Amino acid sequence: EADIYQTPRYLVIGTGKKITLECSQTMGHDKMYWYQQDPGMELHLIHYSYGVNSTEKGDLSSESTVSRIRTEHFPLTLESARPSHTSQYLCASTDTGGPSAFFGQGTRLTVV
Amino acid sequence: GDSVTQMEGPVTLSEEAFLTINCTYTATGYPSLFWYVQYPGEGLQLLLKATKADDKGSNKGFEATYRKETTSFHLEKGSVQVSDSAVYFCALSDRGGSYIPTFGRGTSLIVHP
Repeated sequence: EADIYQTPRYLVIGTGKKITLECSQTMGHDKMYWYQQDPGMELHLIHYSYGVNSTEKGDLSSESTVSRIRTEHFPLTLESARPSHTSQYLCASTDTGGPSAFFGQGTRLTVV
Repeated sequence: GDSVTQMEGPVTLSEEAFLTINCTYTATGYPSLFWYVQYPGEGLQLLLKATKADDKGSNKGFEATYRKETTSFHLEKGSVQVSDSAVYFCALSDRGGSYIPTFGRGTSLIVHP
């Protein structure tokens, strides 16, 4: 059973607020990822990490930032939320020894 | 770079019909191939995978065969159920490269009773 958790599941927040989306996994996976999923379902990689103190930007430019201080934790922060940030955010992880990705249940963010 | 192309949806079928969702890929290395499923309001779940050419992945009645000669990994099921209604994503992970999962755009499947 995969154990990767995202909180909150749903968030409605006003423009200009700072928010942090949490992602934690208990599988000891080295690699973690953040995807933004648009209404048409397509997944866009916005950040990834190969391990502690490693963070990289993904294919889709994003105003968010991430950190990886602990193996199990990969939070995503928006310093100043805007309506254009409204989307579903999915966190995932993979083990170095195996290519299958495990996903959290997602955070649906609405910025009003 | 790596890419995955899958057929556009929605695919609408009656219960017990045969399902095929086409998927082709481009990769510079030796990828593993996957199908993931996403139910409404949820994250993606691994449905099946194949790690080398001619491997067949299978799970819950779904099957897909890794065809290196046609760079394809088509998803099939002989008899769909209403509960199979979901979005299906084809994906690859390139062992010779970065291992970052690369996803297709997703295909919505709607099964009517």
